Amino acid sequence: DADVTQTPRNRITKTGKRIMLECSQTKGHDRMYWYRQDPGLGLRLIYYSFDVKDINKGEISDGYSVSRQAQAKFSLSLESAIPNQTALYFCATSDLDRAGGGELFFGEGSRLTVL
Amino acid sequence: SQKIEQNSEALNIQEGKTATLTCNYTNYSPAYLQWYRQDPGRGPVFLLLIRENEKEKRKERLKVTFDTTLKQSLFHITASQPADSATYLCALCISGGSYIPTFGRGTSLIVHP
Repeated sequence: DADVTQTPRNRITKTGKRIMLECSQTKGHDRMYWYRQDPGLGLRLIYYSFDVKDINKGEISDGYSVSRQAQAKFSLSLESAIPNQTALYFCATSDLDRAGGGELFFGEGSRLTVL
Repeated sequence: SQKIEQNSEALNIQEGKTATLTCNYTNYSPAYLQWYRQDPGRGPVFLLLIRENEKEKRKERLKVTFDTTLKQSLFHITASQPADSATYLCALCISGGSYIPTFGRGTSLIVHP
């Protein structure tokens, strides 16, 4: 089984619909992240969480919200999806390296299409 | 503004040659730099990390250099193989921050048999 699991892997929805992307991990890491990847734009950080009670906005948080339900679960919601939120979404986790340098472990991605 | 630049054009090389990918950055003081590999439709996979006080890191056929004066990292794959074909991403983590990686757009490497 994958260490970082994302569901759904693919989703097609319509403008205005509410969508939730879920992420669960078995790495035991405290830190979890949501990134978005668009062709030509690379990975951009949407939200991150350093523990269950900690939620922080990333570079492109507008139009998104998150919930950290447990150490192992971090969900991304689009309250009212719009076409320019069509993208590949990645969840990632990391441990805290006291010297800095915690590598990210990524899920397989959730491809979202908003019509 | 802060920028991380990787060649947007794909790098095409012949099997057996050394592939060299470049990551340049401006207006950052990175504590360390990471390199990831990403295959189409898959999540990135961590390859190597190099810290600001290190000049070079090696792992099997991979070598990374880090020049904080030039603000540049080079990523080398020696004796390249078609299986090395993928997109390679560099990511910077800023000193004094929360060590969250900021990614470049990646460079596609195509190794021809």
